[in-house]
Amino acid sequence: KNEVEQSPQNLTAQEGEFITINCSYSVGISALHWLQQHPGGGIVSLFMLSSGKKKHGRLIATINIQEKHSSLHITASHPRDSAVYICAVLGGTYKYIFGTGTRLKVLA
Amino acid sequence: GAGVSQSPSNKVTEKGKDVELRCDPISGHTALYWYRQSLGQGLEFLIYFQGNSAPDKSGLPSDRFSAERTGGSVSTLTIQRTQQEDSAVYLCASSLWTGGDYGYTFGSGTRLTVV
Repeated sequence: KNEVEQSPQNLTAQEGEFITINCSYSVGISALHWLQQHPGGGIVSLFMLSSGKKKHGRLIATINIQEKHSSLHITASHPRDSAVYICAVLGGTYKYIFGTGTRLKVLA
Repeated sequence: GAGVSQSPSNKVTEKGKDVELRCDPISGHTALYWYRQSLGQGLEFLIYFQGNSAPDKSGLPSDRFSAERTGGSVSTLTIQRTQQEDSAVYLCASSLWTGGDYGYTFGSGTRLTVV
């Protein structure tokens, strides 16, 4: 079992739908990072969380440290949101453990 | 610079040749990381630099892989005698310091194809 599990692995949504991507982890962490990877491999950092909730535009990320769970929500989804979303946890001081990603496709 | 810059963006090389991948981190970022993403796989940690020293090289998959960082800035990842299994996207990231309080900035990666 991976130390960082994401669900679903693949997700297809219609434009405008509310999307939730989940991340569960089994190790103690100091921070959790949500990343977005577009076709071609480039990675963009979306959020870094150690507690609570953060919001940026149509994106919302929450984390529950006790339950070792984080969610990434996308409101009013758009085809340009199509990407792979990766959850990464920081267990020590520098070494992230990555989930295998959730591949999101938003249809127009 | 404004972001983490990696070069080349794409590299096709013949099996057995050596390749060098370059990462130019954000100015002032003391920590630099190399990751690898093989086809269909998640991101895999390779090596981490704090300044010019590499406290953790545990992720380097074999002795064909080496990395250095000079002047606390640019880093080069070298793969000798490339093999087909080395084909992957190699990602570099930098941060102000280690630890959860400082986020990573990722470069856009180098896609390496060994034929």
